[in-house]
Amino acid sequence: AQKITQTQPGMFVQEKEAVTLDCTYDTSDQSYGLFWYKQPSSGEMIFLIYQGSYDEQNATEGRYSLNFQKARKSANLVISASQLGDSAMYFCAMNERGSTLGRLYFGRGTQLTVWP
Amino acid sequence: DAGITQSPRHKVTETGTPVTLRCHQTENHRYMYWYRQDPGHGLRLIHYSYGVKDTDKGEVSDGYSVSRSKTEDFLLTLESATSSQTSVYFCAISEGTTVRDTEAFFGQGTRLTVV
Repeated sequence: AQKITQTQPGMFVQEKEAVTLDCTYDTSDQSYGLFWYKQPSSGEMIFLIYQGSYDEQNATEGRYSLNFQKARKSANLVISASQLGDSAMYFCAMNERGSTLGRLYFGRGTQLTVWP
Repeated sequence: DAGITQSPRHKVTETGTPVTLRCHQTENHRYMYWYRQDPGHGLRLIHYSYGVKDTDKGEVSDGYSVSRSKTEDFLLTLESATSSQTSVYFCAISEGTTVRDTEAFFGQGTRLTVV
């Protein structure tokens, strides 16, 4: 079974609008971490935001916020005030406390296109 | 930026030849990982290392071997390259095994084409 599911292969948003990228996860571990990475067309993987399973507040990093709904096992990324430079592939990832040596499980990604 | 260097950045090789990819870090992180990225699959773990000479398999390890003789270097070898190993390969490093410490820093990636 997939540990991370990203159901949106592609998303489109107009510049300055907000967009939500969906991510659901599957784990039986009580302690886990959720990550979002951005991959622009140049190919590098850029860490955006982290949410721990015991964190009570939703994580925020500038224009990025993570809408963490533990009971639903979802960790959606919200990008506010989209910019053209936000066009990229976005990956949701998870690690588990019980997982061997902290390896990350990745979703298949969502390609975000921001249009003027 | 985390100091991670992958080499080569691009390589074309023939089926059946051995290929070695190198990952070099200057961060002194204990944990190192090799992932491959394929369309529709995201990133999948090939092998990882938790110290010098300590390595283990990930979910897609068939046809690959690794070695780590120094903290800073983690080598990935395709023993006999096949077309199914055409992919983008990423090296990653992380500090530790608490869930927060496993934020991974990634290298620039190596695009490998097997013809």
